[in-house]
Amino acid sequence: QSVLTQPPSASETPGQRVTISCSGTSSNIGSNHVYWYQQLSGTAPKLVIFKNNQRPSGVPDRFSGSKSGTSASLAISGLRSEDEADYYCAAWDDSLSGRWVFGGGTKVTVL
Amino acid sequence: EVQLVESGGGLVEPGGSLRLSCAASGFTFSHTWMNWVRQAPGKGLEWVGRMKSRINGGTTDYNAPVKGRFTISRDDSKDTLYLQMNSLKTEDTAVYYCTTDAPSPGAYWGQGTLVTVSS
Repeated sequence: QSVLTQPPSASETPGQRVTISCSGTSSNIGSNHVYWYQQLSGTAPKLVIFKNNQRPSGVPDRFSGSKSGTSASLAISGLRSEDEADYYCAAWDDSLSGRWVFGGGTKVTVL
Repeated sequence: EVQLVESGGGLVEPGGSLRLSCAASGFTFSHTWMNWVRQAPGKGLEWVGRMKSRINGGTTDYNAPVKGRFTISRDDSKDTLYLQMNSLKTEDTAVYYCTTDAPSPGAYWGQGTLVTVSS
């Protein structure tokens, strides 16, 4: 059972917008930045959002992040077939001497 | 170009030991905090632990499931991060990734190395 809660799956047709939620607590999302990773099948994860809503160089502006209280979300607009992947949220958790915690991952399917 | 290359994975029996290596290049390794993250087959990501840079004390933090069994170390002269895994259990079976903690946590990842714990 993951510390951060994500829906297991999400799907949408090409060109549409999909949003993935990530729910945490005051010890993680509520007090620290949220990061989002994209994992294409059979590959290592890739950072797509850092510090809640910042995009690394090279990540399309179709990807956006937001955070409010103890929840965060990742939105992908103008969905493309190459966006089909697993997406994970992560945050530092201040409890238990501190640790990184991840969501269970959301499989995004482009219909 | 930043590169992280893990090695040392393989098949080991329960109770055995294994040491993973992560060779880094393309950035100032000695100044960078480093993490190990693992992913069991068909499962999500799980943080294993991290090691701060020497200038920040070189201390380590571990996730509860591996605390007391796994040890992270680094050799800045070789730009290499290590993960010593002892008393391995079947539930430690996973792909192990090393990742940088800068410029953001998980900014760069290696390709991973598979560890299989089985009799």
